[in-house]
Amino acid sequence: GNSVTQMEGPVTLSEEAFLTINCTYTATGYPSLFWYVQYPGEGLQLLLKATKADDKGSNKGFEATYRKETTSFHLEKGSVQVSDSAVYFCALKGTNAGKSTFGDGTTLTVKP
Amino acid sequence: DTGVSQDPRHKITKRGQNVTFRCDPISEHNRLYWYRQTLGQGPEFLTYFQNEAQLEKSRLLSDRFSAERPKGSFSTLEIQRTEQGDSAMYLCASSPVGREEETQYFGPGTRLLVL
Repeated sequence: GNSVTQMEGPVTLSEEAFLTINCTYTATGYPSLFWYVQYPGEGLQLLLKATKADDKGSNKGFEATYRKETTSFHLEKGSVQVSDSAVYFCALKGTNAGKSTFGDGTTLTVKP
Repeated sequence: DTGVSQDPRHKITKRGQNVTFRCDPISEHNRLYWYRQTLGQGPEFLTYFQNEAQLEKSRLLSDRFSAERPKGSFSTLEIQRTEQGDSAMYLCASSPVGREEETQYFGPGTRLLVL
């Protein structure tokens, strides 16, 4: 079946540091890939997505590129802010599948 | 567009009681999903509907769990004879059918605590 493996956390960075959160997946066919963010006390929000190989999703300074050859979708941001502190989830949705499969989440804390 | 709403936001119950949660999806979204999330884990798929038809159920959904979407709009998730292991956040999401169908929009969740 489909699975998503995320870099274990928690991750603590200083403001303006470079962020990478690794995500690799196992799936048949050509899944769509997603990053969701969950801020403290809030629900899951879609951060960015990519639906085919070599697509780059981007939003709010975050980027991730769909790499089929390495089955990866790593999340990056060049300069994090305190307000980026949250839990980040990598997810995939298989071809013709209804459900999404999520990783276990990575907690990011950004210190001033 | 008011987003996905869920009610209640919090529920505390005693073991053995029945509970029911409601989800109102974004209007005109055909698909509706239920997930469960425990502390330190990602959401786990439970079931999903397209309109009023329940198209898939996870093996996580034991006989004590039932979900309905009778008119293809809101949905309910009922847990009978609750157990302490049912304590979790129950998430609802919806998505349109068509070009953007892969994008799921999540509600704030219902946090269940079974004592």
